[in-house]
Amino acid sequence: DAGVIQSPRHEVTEMGQEVTLRCKPISGHNSLFWYRQTMMRGLELLIYFNNNVPIDDSGMPEDRFSAKMPNASFSTLKIQPSEPRDSAVYFCASSLARNEQFFGPGTRLTVL
Amino acid sequence: GDSVTQMEGPVTLSEEAFLTINCTYTATGYPSLFWYVQYPGEGLQLLLKATKADDKGSNKGFEATYRKETTSFHLEKGSVQVSDSAVYFCALSDVNFGNEKLTFGTGTRLTIIP
Repeated sequence: DAGVIQSPRHEVTEMGQEVTLRCKPISGHNSLFWYRQTMMRGLELLIYFNNNVPIDDSGMPEDRFSAKMPNASFSTLKIQPSEPRDSAVYFCASSLARNEQFFGPGTRLTVL
Repeated sequence: GDSVTQMEGPVTLSEEAFLTINCTYTATGYPSLFWYVQYPGEGLQLLLKATKADDKGSNKGFEATYRKETTSFHLEKGSVQVSDSAVYFCALSDVNFGNEKLTFGTGTRLTIIP
């Protein structure tokens, strides 16, 4: 079975550009999580969805960040405009009914 | 709010040594506790979990016991291997409050030397 799929795996962009990260959760899972990992701040939850509805977005750093889940098999995390301090590894994870979270391989974002 | 404090790294051990990584937590309810492992260049994987006091989670030779009286969930392994080199994260989830998000510790980088 395919695990959580994230794209792209690596993204390099310039400050001010829009960045869109994509995630396909495991089929049948009903919760989806976006995390950010940096050396300074560790692993932070940005937002999570349950049944495609955002439940907790308290970790979204500011209005430049937005996330959507238009259907059960797809989610996006958008940064507009991007800044160098957004450079990090972004993980998507999914779970079923409050069980184990399965993580994707991550997207390494570099903003120059 | 909920929080997890885990042993500062990095930790370097020789192969076959005994491993302990300390983890303590603060939670308002009755959390489930987890250890996740992250190998280089990969996402996190669940290593083991415990959902109530005195439960012992175990997997791949690793063990951790949910100690409510000391609010701890220390990770142990009797004989580590080079392949255990990774970053280990302790985490809790307090689903009883209707929120299934995980609160992670800062991670402990483990390096095993042959």
